[in-house]
Amino acid sequence: NAGVTQTPKFQVLKTGQSMTLQCAQDMNHEYMSWYRQDPGMGLRLIHYSVGAGITDQGEVPNGYNVSRSTTEDFPLRLLSAAPSQTSVYFCASSYSTSAHAEAFFGQGTRLTVV
Amino acid sequence: AQSVSQHNHHVILSEAASLELGCNYSYGGTVNLFWYVQYPGQHLQLLLKYFSGDPLVKGIKGFEAEFIKSKFSFNLRKPSVQWSDTAEYFCAVNAPGNTGKLIFGQGTTLQVKP
Repeated sequence: NAGVTQTPKFQVLKTGQSMTLQCAQDMNHEYMSWYRQDPGMGLRLIHYSVGAGITDQGEVPNGYNVSRSTTEDFPLRLLSAAPSQTSVYFCASSYSTSAHAEAFFGQGTRLTVV
Repeated sequence: AQSVSQHNHHVILSEAASLELGCNYSYGGTVNLFWYVQYPGQHLQLLLKYFSGDPLVKGIKGFEAEFIKSKFSFNLRKPSVQWSDTAEYFCAVNAPGNTGKLIFGQGTTLQVKP
């Protein structure tokens, strides 16, 4: 079972560069989300999607774009990388938007912006 | 806004010691509560969850948590920790409404000395 797959695992960017973090799930989950994890701040929600074609902003959306053209994929785009975006990024999915639904996480992408 | 607070940021215990990690949330309505664990270099995994019913919830690997509504708390406990419990622990609550969004606490790093 692949679950939630994130690529790449590690990435170094120069300030101003753009890139896309990939996230795919094979569980036919309706809900997908992106979090960033920073020391002492837990996980903060960047963007989320409640289904294909529907996305919305989370707590810290600035500097990031998302799209959800298929149920399986939910890429996160950094438009112009900044050192403040150095973080570990996690993609998560759950089978529904119900409050009871357990979230499944990918392995994470460690991004460094220099 | 809804928030989750974890009191202990870094806990160091010897093997066989008892563990209690504090978690408080701010929302006054119906809540669904989770504890996730992140072992070194791995993704977040669900330890246990509370939706309704018995406020004492048992999870994997001998962990349990108690929901105390009057104290807005959901503390995590384990009677006897092992070296393999070394990890970061996150408390989370579902945001109001069926959005699927999770709000995380800051995390607690547990180090168990052999």
